[in-house]
Amino acid sequence: SQQGEEDPQALSIQEGENATMNCSYKTSINNLQWYRQNSGRGLVHLILIRSNEREKHSGRLRVTLDTSKKSSSLLITASRAADTASYFCATEQAQAGTALIFGKGTTLSVSS
Amino acid sequence: DTGVSQNPRHKITKRGQNVTFRCDPISEHNRLYWYRQTLGQGPEFLTYFQNEAQLEKSRLLSDRFSAERPKGSFSTLEIQRTEQGDSAMYLCASEGDKGPHYGYTFGSGTRLTVV
Repeated sequence: SQQGEEDPQALSIQEGENATMNCSYKTSINNLQWYRQNSGRGLVHLILIRSNEREKHSGRLRVTLDTSKKSSSLLITASRAADTASYFCATEQAQAGTALIFGKGTTLSVSS
Repeated sequence: DTGVSQNPRHKITKRGQNVTFRCDPISEHNRLYWYRQTLGQGPEFLTYFQNEAQLEKSRLLSDRFSAERPKGSFSTLEIQRTEQGDSAMYLCASEGDKGPHYGYTFGSGTRLTVV
């Protein structure tokens, strides 16, 4: 089963623009993580935000978490062609198990 | 240790054959996960090991699937009597103790095609 739901499914922007992806989830969580996947490759961990945190930054990435709305957003500023990839949110549920549950992802295309 | 290693990278097999995949996690990571990913979807959890103990199994893991991690190091995932619906990317990930919150480290996956 998949917990997270990313929005939009696909996003196309020009280099230098900002990209915002959203993630909604269903159950209480311990933390939420964002991963990037280049075509046909494994996933790369980008950033983790705990349930008691509201915002986190890492380089050009900014993640927000609103536990009351069960939603998160990932902002990539000043995008580059190399940011072209699929982006997934993943949640560690508070009640059940320890494995991350992934959403279906947002496919980002950055053109130069 | 350069990361999580998965072998083979690609596997094409005929329907009904058995296949086995191997995952070598980061050596100091005690948690190991198997996921399956089909085109256009996110990874779906299959099973999880802490050291050599298999602690969780998804309902996706039918009785044709079995996973082992005999010495708490590498892991194998076997699929018996493969079906076309088993065609997918099989991803392995490992995780250390939850200190610095680095998340999972994924391997590059094994792409299975059942013909």
